[in-house]
Amino acid sequence: GQSLEQPSEVTAVEGAIVQINCTYQTSGFYGLSWYQQHDGGAPTFLSYNALDGLEETGRFSSFLSRSDSYGYLLLQELQMKDSASYFCAVRNTGGFKTIFGAGTRLFVKA
Amino acid sequence: ETGVTQSPTHLIKTRGQQVTLRCSSQSGHNTVSWYQQALGQGPQFIFQYYREEENGRGNFPPRFSGLQFPNYSSELNVNALELDDSALYLCASSPGTSGSTDTQYFGPGTRLTVL
Repeated sequence: GQSLEQPSEVTAVEGAIVQINCTYQTSGFYGLSWYQQHDGGAPTFLSYNALDGLEETGRFSSFLSRSDSYGYLLLQELQMKDSASYFCAVRNTGGFKTIFGAGTRLFVKA
Repeated sequence: ETGVTQSPTHLIKTRGQQVTLRCSSQSGHNTVSWYQQALGQGPQFIFQYYREEENGRGNFPPRFSGLQFPNYSSELNVNALELDDSALYLCASSPGTSGSTDTQYFGPGTRLTVL
């Protein structure tokens, strides 16, 4: 089967750093993506890793270890507006199918 | 640059009916994917179209079908609606070549309620 595991909820305070982990088991792997979705909104692309290592985009960074089938999203200098659901997603080999995790709901407290 | 648009925003149908949802992809994007998102869950991949051909499909029955037009806009058709089809339907476009996708740009979705 194909599955992605990520924590259901994470709570952190404003200004802190939070890490959201994702482990995957898929029949093929092309890359790991992260999306943000606010309540009532559409998913918004955050980052993509095809190779091992860290990708940094402003306050957000994403890491991938293909050998461990593991990745994480790191959010720094948390702001209230970062309260949202975060999804990891795997693009399978060939790129013809994307599988999303169930999402991690992040609550940022003042 | 126009983003991904979907219509209608909301829709209420009864069991057994048929529905057509529409999506206009972002300018220059030739790949469109459709997803079903139930409340509190992640998007579930339905299928992907690249240059008017379906080139990937998730675990959805044949009553879920689609089309992509020469202008790369797309339709999702669902026949014989069931109560469990109630969900947010998301369309995502990407500028992928050869059907590859990494960055996907999502539309606002269509909220379908089946009574």
